[in-house]
Amino acid sequence: EAQVTQNPRYLITVTGKKLTVTCSQNMNHEYMSWYRQDPGLGLRQIYYSMNVEVTDKGDVPEGYKVSRKEKRNFPLILESPSPNQTSLYFCASSRGGAYNEQFFGPGTRLTVL
Amino acid sequence: SQQGEEDPQALSIQEGENATMNCSYKTSINNLQWYRQNSGRGLVHLILIRSNEREKHSGRLRVTLDTSKKSSSLLITASRAADTASYFCATDEHRGSTLGRLYFGRGTQLTVWP
Repeated sequence: EAQVTQNPRYLITVTGKKLTVTCSQNMNHEYMSWYRQDPGLGLRQIYYSMNVEVTDKGDVPEGYKVSRKEKRNFPLILESPSPNQTSLYFCASSRGGAYNEQFFGPGTRLTVL
Repeated sequence: SQQGEEDPQALSIQEGENATMNCSYKTSINNLQWYRQNSGRGLVHLILIRSNEREKHSGRLRVTLDTSKKSSSLLITASRAADTASYFCATDEHRGSTLGRLYFGRGTQLTVWP
């Protein structure tokens, strides 16, 4: 089944404790992206990757890191999480770029205390 | 900054009625997409309309695009309770070689009462 998977689905952590949210897709998509969703603000793009070893900033990259060492994986790293990073996070992938249909993961609900 | 903005923020209708949502955006685009999100879940792609298209249909969905007004509308005909969800428009940017940026609006929350 074609899908985007994220882990963990739920995470409660404390300020400053490094964490990684994994994202994997099995559709051989070149493009992958991370978003955060906050009430009243819709989805905002954090980082995106056009292909392996190619990443770039979205609207809200501060406090986040990403890497794209393999085509299928695009982890989101929070080196020192803070309470303002409490949010619902989505990973998405597509063929080509942002202009094509995006396939979304189920989301990761992160709470930083 | 957000490119697309949906209107209205919330819409409440009875089953069988039509639901219309609007989206406005700021810059030139390649494509405009509409997505649906059930509460707290991942977004699901509904329809994509290219900048050189004016109207597109998919089942009970009809999307229009007016690039001169930088606006789009999504019409859901004969709504069902199962259509209750948030609907988002998303736009890329037709600017240089920026192919990776995708902008979502804040969404329209549609409630369809049985």
